[in-house]
Amino acid sequence: AQSVTQPDIHITVSEGASLELRCNYSYGATPYLCWYVQSPGQGLQLLLKYFSGDTLVQGIKGFEAEFKRSQSSFNLRKPSVHWSDAAEYFCAVAPQTGANNLFFGTGTRLTVIP
Amino acid sequence: GAGVSQTPSNKVTEKGKYVELRCDPISGHTALYWYRQSLGQGPEFLIYFQGTGAADDSGLPNDRFFAVRPEGSVSTLKIQRTERGDSAVYLCASSQNSWTDTQYFGPGTRLTVL
Repeated sequence: AQSVTQPDIHITVSEGASLELRCNYSYGATPYLCWYVQSPGQGLQLLLKYFSGDTLVQGIKGFEAEFKRSQSSFNLRKPSVHWSDAAEYFCAVAPQTGANNLFFGTGTRLTVIP
Repeated sequence: GAGVSQTPSNKVTEKGKYVELRCDPISGHTALYWYRQSLGQGPEFLIYFQGTGAADDSGLPNDRFFAVRPEGSVSTLKIQRTERGDSAVYLCASSQNSWTDTQYFGPGTRLTVL
């Protein structure tokens, strides 16, 4: 069965610093992978997704993620964090079988300090 | 255009009562998903509709949970004989059709069972 692990429950970074949020998945074939962000009082918003092609994926708000098959990882990165990036980030995976039921990780809470 | 909407935004009920949660997907989206998010966790898949039919209900925890989508648009999640453990935020998402299409999430309904 597919699963997603986000090893970091909480990360604190300074505004302007770079960010990397880790995501590891467990699935035999190449899955559909994505990152969502959830701000307080807001719904889940898709940042980016990967299902084939270029393994470096660009998303909204300056985020990018890289699919590494050898490491079963799909880490999210941003070169310079803004205070408005403070939120909960979820990595999710789905099998490429036609039914896109997402399996979410437990999330990483990002705090941004001035 | 309008996003996914869910009503009510909050629902407080007593143990043993019946509740209905409503989801209005984005117009034209044939796929609709229900997820449940408990405190400190990522969303957990419940059920997936393609059109009017439940294509995958493997995530429903037990037979107290049921969902319908009679006309292929609005969906209702029904919970009978509610238990305190059912307390969570219930999220609805819709996508256009294909498994590669983005899932757009609603703001959720927070259910509290006293």
